Amino acid sequence: DGGITQSPKYLFRKEGQNVTLSCEQNLNHDAMYWYRQDPGQGLRLIYYSQIVNDFQKGDIAEGYSVSREKKESFPLTVTSAQKNPTAFYLCASSTTWNQPQHFGDGTRLSIL
Amino acid sequence: QKEVEQDPGPLSVPEGAIVSLNCTYSNSAFQYFMWYRQYSRKGPELLMYTYSSGNKEDGRFTAQVDKSSKYISLFIRDSQPSDSATYLCAMNLPGSGGGADGLTFGKGTHLIIQP
Repeated sequence: DGGITQSPKYLFRKEGQNVTLSCEQNLNHDAMYWYRQDPGQGLRLIYYSQIVNDFQKGDIAEGYSVSREKKESFPLTVTSAQKNPTAFYLCASSTTWNQPQHFGDGTRLSIL
Repeated sequence: QKEVEQDPGPLSVPEGAIVSLNCTYSNSAFQYFMWYRQYSRKGPELLMYTYSSGNKEDGRFTAQVDKSSKYISLFIRDSQPSDSATYLCAMNLPGSGGGADGLTFGKGTHLIIQP
């Protein structure tokens, strides 16, 4: 079955630690996105990539980093510079920018 | 400007009722409109996608877009308890208007269908 796989489902971060969230898709989509979802705030765009080896900052990129070395993979690193990382993180992909996005089932990140 | 307004609810209706969910937006350049359903602890699931004014029907779901009023709606007929979820509207600009950076979402409406 084609889809988007996010792992792990739950992740805990210690103070000063960087953590990486995985996102893999087998839909052959060119575009991939990372969103953060907080209660009452909706989805906010962190980073997006329209093509391999290229990515752009979204609305709330500070404290995060990404890479896009392969078409099917778009990992997100939450760095120690992100002071409020507790949230539900969603990865999405689409064939191109103007097509609907399809989402993974998210990673819930919490602070120890 | 990419503001999308959506009533957070909760909206509680009895099973079998017709549900109306709505979003308003301020930027008349929005061109693509979507509705997603999100169950607790899951990712959003695409329900409807349209890029023109008018109605689009898919089973029990009807999406309506009124670009002149900058207003979109999702109607659910014969609502079921399994429809209980958060419904997110989303929209996108054309690429020339900055749409390449992805969708603008409403904050979602929490819907409860009472058995």
